[in-house]
Amino acid sequence: EAGVAQSPRYKIIEKRQSVAFWCNPISGHATLYWYQQILGQGPKLLIQFQNNGVVDDSQLPKDRFSAERLKGVDSTLKIQPAKLEDSAVYLCASSLVAELFFGEGSRLTVL
Amino acid sequence: KQEVTQIPAALSVPEGENLVLNCSFTDSAIYNLQWFRQDPGKGLTSLLLIQSSQREQTSGRLNASLDKSSGRSTLYIAASQPGDSATYLCAGYSGNTGKLIFGQGTTLQVKP
Repeated sequence: EAGVAQSPRYKIIEKRQSVAFWCNPISGHATLYWYQQILGQGPKLLIQFQNNGVVDDSQLPKDRFSAERLKGVDSTLKIQPAKLEDSAVYLCASSLVAELFFGEGSRLTVL
Repeated sequence: KQEVTQIPAALSVPEGENLVLNCSFTDSAIYNLQWFRQDPGKGLTSLLLIQSSQREQTSGRLNASLDKSSGRSTLYIAASQPGDSATYLCAGYSGNTGKLIFGQGTTLQVKP
């Protein structure tokens, strides 16, 4: 069974530039999550989708972050404009019921 | 605010030791607790999931338990091996907020 796919694995940009991350969840998983993990910390939920609807985006900085999940499958997370403090690993996860499965993550460095 | 504390933050042990990692929640209304492993530069790998009707789960040399009355979970690793070296994170669903909350992790080093 294929796992959660994410791309790109690494991205380096300058502040004020934009970046987009892509996630393909495990087939059949209705729930998709985007987490931000800063070095040395646990992951922080940015947004949770159930199919193509948003369940929780309370910690998403909506002035610069946006996410969509068209057709209830793939998802894209965008940051525009990026700030230095956005340097982190962006993790995508999916679940069918209770257990979460994570992708390898996309490491963002903002210079 | 729901917080999750993992103790210790770091641990170094010789190969072969049995060890216990601890996870505690300020909100004891926890259900569905999951333990993950994270290798450097990698994503999180699910190790064990304890669902709301369960008190513990076992997989190979790993055993996780959940005491809902105290809001505490432990991950027991038997006969540790160098390949067990990684960061271990616990995450629990809060019954009060409906959110999955992560701890900061325990970084384990097992020396040959």
